[in-house]
Amino acid sequence: AQTVTQSQPEMSVQEAETVTLSCTYDTSENNYYLFWYKQPPSRQMILVIRQEAYKQQNATENRFSVNFQKAAKSFSLKISDSQLGDTAMYFCAFVPNFGNEKLTFGTGTRLTIIP
Amino acid sequence: NAGVTQTPKFQVLKTGQSMTLQCAQDMNHEYMSWYRQDPGMGLRLIHYSVGAGITDQGEVPNGYNVSRSTTEDFPLRLLSAAPSQTSVYFCASRGRYHEAFFGQGTRLTVV
Repeated sequence: AQTVTQSQPEMSVQEAETVTLSCTYDTSENNYYLFWYKQPPSRQMILVIRQEAYKQQNATENRFSVNFQKAAKSFSLKISDSQLGDTAMYFCAFVPNFGNEKLTFGTGTRLTIIP
Repeated sequence: NAGVTQTPKFQVLKTGQSMTLQCAQDMNHEYMSWYRQDPGMGLRLIHYSVGAGITDQGEVPNGYNVSRSTTEDFPLRLLSAAPSQTSVYFCASRGRYHEAFFGQGTRLTVV
């Protein structure tokens, strides 16, 4: 069974600074997807970024980028130039790239951006 | 562009009552699922469906029932509500890259 671990329950950072959220996972699969989701106070779950395991290049989306270390099974999210609107819960998620395997979520990191 | 529409947003039930959470998607996704979100536990899979007429259990299926008569709709039924079912519920459909598209969530309180 796959597991996803987010070891930082809460983090805070000053506005405009850079912050990195950690995620590790455990799997015996070689082909899979990893995701970061953002959940602001509105409760909506928003896809931030996606990484395909067979791609060595780290995914980026504007101020959001990942550091994907396949051998170490690590998938951290870096938020640059943090903004007040980045305040949210962030969830890391994993899914094998075959069949109808379920999406496995970590327990989340609550990020607060301080003005 | 509606995406995944989930209703209601809030609901209060008395213990023993039943209700149905509605979920509809307009993206023609075959895979749909229901999760519950509890503090400190992330999102846990309740039931899922890989297409019309096909459903299966997830991690925490007890007390819940689903059906999938069309590609678009995937309702979740609480058979006899219990306080342990107080939670936030999300419906989701799965896209081409296995990413989940979520509904707006339902905050359910069972008293």
